[in-house]
Amino acid sequence: GQQLNQSPQSMFIQEGEDVSMNCTSSSIFNTWLWYKQEPGEGPVLLIALYKAGELTSNGRLTAQFGITRKDSFLNISASIPSDVGIYFCAGRTSGSRLTFGEGTQLTVNP
Amino acid sequence: DSGVTQTPKHLITATGQRVTLRCSPRSGDLSVYWYQQSLDQGLQFLIQYYNGEERAKGNILERFSAQQFPDLHSELNLSSLELGDSALYFCASSALAGATDTQYFGPGTRLTVL
Repeated sequence: GQQLNQSPQSMFIQEGEDVSMNCTSSSIFNTWLWYKQEPGEGPVLLIALYKAGELTSNGRLTAQFGITRKDSFLNISASIPSDVGIYFCAGRTSGSRLTFGEGTQLTVNP
Repeated sequence: DSGVTQTPKHLITATGQRVTLRCSPRSGDLSVYWYQQSLDQGLQFLIQYYNGEERAKGNILERFSAQQFPDLHSELNLSSLELGDSALYFCASSALAGATDTQYFGPGTRLTVL
């Protein structure tokens, strides 16, 4: 089946630092999504990308849909303590079914 | 608050038992999705219903079944439970069933099988 390889698995950074994480796949996706999950909660959509090459920002978050349609990255600038959580990439081919990456656990030290 | 509700929040049961997880989608949403999140496998898509009908099936075991009722709430039934079924089970909903519809996730049900 389809698999998404997300890296890094975990990151420990200082407040104010920039963060970058990415997802790659051997399959082509038509949509890339980035979600954040906090303890005890379900994933919350951060950014959705629908077109190869698309670069989209949401506040301090920026994500890009790779040209090959097999990868995506998420950048967080000037991290703050509330950025702590698990970040998931997700891809969609046809239909509405999502395939998720394994997540990047982000820890921000004040 | 996503508007998706799930009950119960926690469930502890024994191997061999059967449980039912319940999900109420956001008001007006017709699609409901079920996902399993375990420590070693991330979020795995199980099944989707749209307006009462099964729409897509993922890695759902034969011991598991789901349905969506006329009022659009959904139930996920897990039977002959095994230790490996311990996981977080999430429900998500979206307005329709299109490829660009945003899926909103509920807070999850944590199932522990002892």
